[in-house]
Amino acid sequence: GESVGLHLPTLSVQEGDNSIINCAYSNSASDYFIWYKQESGKGPQFIIDIRSNMDKRQGQRVTVLLNKTVKHLSLQIAATQPGDSAVYFCAETSTGNQFYFGTGTSLTVIP
Amino acid sequence: DSGVTQTPKHLITATGQRVTLRCSPRSGDLSVYWYQQSLDQGLQFLIQYYNGEERAKGNILERFSAQQFPDLHSELNLSSLELGDSALYFCASSVFAGGNTGELFFGEGSRLTVL
Repeated sequence: GESVGLHLPTLSVQEGDNSIINCAYSNSASDYFIWYKQESGKGPQFIIDIRSNMDKRQGQRVTVLLNKTVKHLSLQIAATQPGDSAVYFCAETSTGNQFYFGTGTSLTVIP
Repeated sequence: DSGVTQTPKHLITATGQRVTLRCSPRSGDLSVYWYQQSLDQGLQFLIQYYNGEERAKGNILERFSAQQFPDLHSELNLSSLELGDSALYFCASSVFAGGNTGELFFGEGSRLTVL
């Protein structure tokens, strides 16, 4: 089956610093990736996505980087804020397939 | 608010019992997905329906079943419940059938506790 994993289960950063959350995927056929944020007691919320024909995509304070050579995905959050504290999941899929989610990284922002 | 509604939000029951979780997708979304999230686990895909028909199956136990009704709402039935079935069950919806066609919109989940 699919294998999507995260390098670090927990991450603590100082408020105002940049955060980097990493994700490894195993299916070289995956061509669409999404980062989700899950706050306590809530369902996952879409943050940003990227297709395999891109290696970088930027949103508001977030950037996703895709390295297909090593099957690695990262989420960068600029100027991390307390409201960014949550669990972050990466998900991968390919045409006709389902989304496969990683275990998640818990981000804690220290004021 | 994602537009996906799940009920009940919390459910406590005993082993051996049967429960039904309900999901109303976003208006206009034809696909409904069910995911299970156990403690310290990621989201495990259970099953997907598209416009009333089963589209894909994941690691769904035989004790579990689901369906999608003509009005597109979906129900997940969990029977002969075991302690290990305690988890958050999420429903998600999307416009299309799946794959790389767009994001999933998640409900807030139903927390099932089996005692």
